[in-house]
Amino acid sequence: DTGVSQDPRHKITKRGQNVTFRCDPISEHNRLYWYRQTLGQGPEFLTYFQNEAQLEKSRLLSDRFSAERPKGSFSTLEIQRTEQGDSAMYLCASSPSRGDTEAFFGQGTRLTVV
Amino acid sequence: AQKITQTQPGMFVQEKEAVTLDCTYDTSDPSYGLFWYKQPSSGEMIFLIYQGSYDQQNATEGRYSLNFQKARKSANLVISASQLGDSAMYFCAMREGFLNQGGKLIFGQGTELSVKP
Repeated sequence: DTGVSQDPRHKITKRGQNVTFRCDPISEHNRLYWYRQTLGQGPEFLTYFQNEAQLEKSRLLSDRFSAERPKGSFSTLEIQRTEQGDSAMYLCASSPSRGDTEAFFGQGTRLTVV
Repeated sequence: AQKITQTQPGMFVQEKEAVTLDCTYDTSDPSYGLFWYKQPSSGEMIFLIYQGSYDQQNATEGRYSLNFQKARKSANLVISASQLGDSAMYFCAMREGFLNQGGKLIFGQGTELSVKP
């Protein structure tokens, strides 16, 4: 399977715990995006990387959130001291940096904070 | 101001009939791209169709076509010959500027389509 892969698919955690999600983009794609989707809403942009450089962060990305893409390949999104409001689907997408093409999405990680 | 507006929270269509899902957008950038994605209950966002702001013709992809009316800032999705498997959430999205300006997508709130047998 050469699509975007996210791990885990589901995560249940207790409030206050830290969680980390992983995204493996399509191998030849330079750009990697993280989005958050709450129930009944469309995805909201969180941050994006061009290779290993994090070039844009949304105001939604509080200081409890951090994302990395250390070697320009896979990316991790960490949430520290989780809150119930962090419960959402976290979607990763990738795209090439040339041409105006669609972004390819992974299946998402569904986070539930109890 | 909301940049992508989908005014239909839910739509029903009879199997084999056509259905139009509405989308209006707002931008002052002359260069933008418009996308439609399908999200089944499994959660994955599936790309359906793309329209660039400079494209002269409406985009088509199989049973999907995009009715692009630039002056009205609308980009409605038309699904012909609906199938039961088309039941899903549908999101309209916009990318402002060309990819070298970032490439992030701004999504609407979605329309839930239900296809009746």
